Amino acid sequence: AQSVTQLGSHVSVSEGALVLLRCNYSSSVPPYLFWYVQYPNQGLQLLLKYTSAATLVKGINGFEAEFKKSETSFHLTKPSAHMSDAAEYFCAVSDLRDDKIIFGKGTRLHILP
Amino acid sequence: ETGVTQSPTHLIKTRGQQVTLRCSSQSGHNTVSWYQQALGQGPQFIFQYYREEENGRGNFPPRFSGLQFPNYSSELNVNALELDDSALYLCASSSSGQRRLFGPGTRLTVT
Repeated sequence: AQSVTQLGSHVSVSEGALVLLRCNYSSSVPPYLFWYVQYPNQGLQLLLKYTSAATLVKGINGFEAEFKKSETSFHLTKPSAHMSDAAEYFCAVSDLRDDKIIFGKGTRLHILP
Repeated sequence: ETGVTQSPTHLIKTRGQQVTLRCSSQSGHNTVSWYQQALGQGPQFIFQYYREEENGRGNFPPRFSGLQFPNYSSELNVNALELDDSALYLCASSSSGQRRLFGPGTRLTVT
């Protein structure tokens, strides 16, 4: 069975500082991995997706994530945080067979002025 | 992209009642999936429909059911509502080779 673990339900960083949100996955087959962002009272927006091509995936709004098979990790980073990055971030996994997505519990990112 | 829309935006029901939530998929998307997001949690997969047939289901009881129509709109029906059914319900549409799109959700409150 597939699963995702996000380390840290809340992360606070100062504006301009590095953002690092951690995600570890478990999958018995080569996974597709995702990061989604959710702003208050809104649905989910895809930030980026890994599909077994390049291990470093660049997404929208300056975010990127690196797939590390040996560590079963897919951490999300952004070099310089902006106030508008404050939101809930979800890591997720799926496989090719059934296309359903399994989400982590989420990490709420707080940006300090 | 026309996007994914959901209705209603908010809904309040009483325990034991039945509810129908609606989703209009992105044009051309033949797959729709539904998720339940409880407060402070990640979305949980309820089920998925492909060309009007259910083709995957999460760990939800049979009182959660769905329909997908030829025009790719869909419904989520929940019978015998329980307090724990209070959540944000998200639908997502997709098609092979195309990005999955999520709707804004329906906030269901069961009292």
